Amino acid sequence: SQQGEEDPQALSIQEGENATMNCSYKTSINNLQWYRQNSGRGLVHLILIRSNEREKHSGRLRVTLDTSKKSSSLLITASRAADTASYFCATDAKGNNRLAFGKGNQVVVIP
Amino acid sequence: SQTIHQWPATLVQPVGSPLSLECTVEGTSNPNLYWYRQAAGRGLQLLFYSVGIGQISSEVPQNLSASRPQDRQFILSSKKLLLSDSGFYLCAQRVGRGNSPLHFGNGTRLTVT
Repeated sequence: SQQGEEDPQALSIQEGENATMNCSYKTSINNLQWYRQNSGRGLVHLILIRSNEREKHSGRLRVTLDTSKKSSSLLITASRAADTASYFCATDAKGNNRLAFGKGNQVVVIP
Repeated sequence: SQTIHQWPATLVQPVGSPLSLECTVEGTSNPNLYWYRQAAGRGLQLLFYSVGIGQISSEVPQNLSASRPQDRQFILSSKKLLLSDSGFYLCAQRVGRGNSPLHFGNGTRLTVT
């Protein structure tokens, strides 16, 4: 079954603004990962947060994880036009060899 | 580094024709390999995954099949394509177990007409 499901929103923001996306899931996880996909390309891994972590930073990315609410958020600060892409969360459930992806969030950053 | 080759990049096939998509990986041995499908505007649906040569797990019953004849080769096939098989097919690999990310190829855009 599909785990990891973003709020299915298309987000349009001005360059320099922050972009926030949310993701919820249903079962116990080892970790949660965020990926980025440019149009017509494969997905690229951005950041992984383990189930015992609450927040993680990587450059302009900030990820939070709330296991009690089974939810995560991805914040992109000071957005750039090059951040325009679809962003997916994926959950790595306990006992599995595979990731389950959500439907993705389209982000458009207007220069 | 981990490199994944997928071909062809685009494919247009008539309904009822066979399909063979190939994925090969470099730079690692004994990876977990995955086939995902992405329909337009949708998330990724896991089709098959493999933890080793000849070992295939199917996630969704349908007219597709997968094979892993070599450690670094993963093939997606169909004997007779359906219109609903159209989509963007992505191969991915995972090195190690547990907390490790997937690395994706650039995908094959399949249109069944």
